[in-house]
Amino acid sequence: KQEVTQIPAALSVPEGENLVLNCSFTDSAIYNLQWFRQDPGKGLTSLLLIQSSQREQTSGRLNASLDKSSGRSTLYIAASQPGDSATYLCAVTNQAGTALIFGKGTTLSVSS
Amino acid sequence: SQTIHQWPATLVQPVGSPLSLECTVEGTSNPNLYWYRQAAGRGLQLLFYSVGIGQISSEVPQNLSASRPQDRQFILSSKKLLLSDSGFYLCAWSVASGGAETQYFGPGTRLLVL
Repeated sequence: KQEVTQIPAALSVPEGENLVLNCSFTDSAIYNLQWFRQDPGKGLTSLLLIQSSQREQTSGRLNASLDKSSGRSTLYIAASQPGDSATYLCAVTNQAGTALIFGKGTTLSVSS
Repeated sequence: SQTIHQWPATLVQPVGSPLSLECTVEGTSNPNLYWYRQAAGRGLQLLFYSVGIGQISSEVPQNLSASRPQDRQFILSSKKLLLSDSGFYLCAWSVASGGAETQYFGPGTRLLVL
């Protein structure tokens, strides 16, 4: 059974810092991996999707990497801003390719 | 462009009462549809998914059921709510294809069962 773990559960950093969020999964047979952002009481916003054949994706200040063989992904946020404060969720697609298995998320707080 | 709607945004219901949450998608045809729940202190969990009208797959046994009466409408129901049904319910859609596509999420419904 696929399990997704995110470390740390919470992170507080001052504005301007570069930071890394970690995600690990137990079954390397994934179709893809996604990183989402969730603001308090809101739905999810997809940030980056990495296909199983890819190693990384970039969007603006965000860079996500994928190492299938080790079951790990990282989300790198450059020059963090207070507006980046949110919960970041990592999810892998299940073997049937129909749905996502989520981690519990990392709650990020960026102070000005 | 595609949009996804959920209502109500928040709901407070007594234990034992029925539930009906609705999700609709606009701007696309024959989407895959999903219901997720995010309970306090837990990760997001898939409850149901649907690849077409009347086709529902359940991922976990529970007190809830789902229906898809129309192509772009997905309904989550319960006949009698339990305290453990409290949580944040998210509906999502994706393009129907043979592979795994990005899922797009609605704004969610926060349910509190008292």
